[in-house]
Amino acid sequence: EIVMTQSPATLSVSPGERATLSCRASQSLSTNLAWYQQKPGRTPRLLIYHASTRATGIPARFSGSGSGTEFTLTISSLQSEDFAIYYCQQYHNWPLYTFGQGTKLEIK
Amino acid sequence: QVQLVQSGAEVRKPGSSVKVSCKVSGGTFSSSAISWVRQAPGQGLEWMGSLIPMFAKGNYAQNFQDRVTITADESTSTAYMELTILKSEDTAVYYCARLHNGGGGDFWGQGTLVVVSS
Repeated sequence: EIVMTQSPATLSVSPGERATLSCRASQSLSTNLAWYQQKPGRTPRLLIYHASTRATGIPARFSGSGSGTEFTLTISSLQSEDFAIYYCQQYHNWPLYTFGQGTKLEIK
Repeated sequence: QVQLVQSGAEVRKPGSSVKVSCKVSGGTFSSSAISWVRQAPGQGLEWMGSLIPMFAKGNYAQNFQDRVTITADESTSTAYMELTILKSEDTAVYYCARLHNGGGGDFWGQGTLVVVSS
């Protein structure tokens, strides 16, 4: 079973600054990696799939990169609405999935 | 547009079982993978398993292999998740979802709270 590890667990960043979140897989995923955002009381929202493709309606300040076992989500200029929990998810062996444990992005 | 509507909240005693339903409208039910994801209070997302109704064989995460069964009724476009031998740690919101497959949209049910308490 593929294990996903996210870092850091919590990231404190000021509005307007850049945030960089990391995700590592226990085996190569090629680019079968997605990122989700979740706010309290809401269902998760798909941001990125294929490691770097933005989902419909996702602002350009969200970007994803990486392949193999190392992946990054970058938010270029943080807006107030971006403070949330972010999860990476692998789907290399669809329809099997695994989520990372999440990174909480909080206001500094 | 794909919509998933789940059954209501449940309260169960330890050792019992629970079965949650998920009615899907829109899209092609038989060939779509329906996943179940749970989230314990204050915790992260945990993928439990999935089923493509036309193949009728569930795929399960190792953590749930012995206790979860996912089924589907193609005549009503409804998926089910049954979890047995419940423990207090199974208290969580359970979501059904038609997750993306590298595109193709990503759709979630509203969630079903299951509370396990004596």
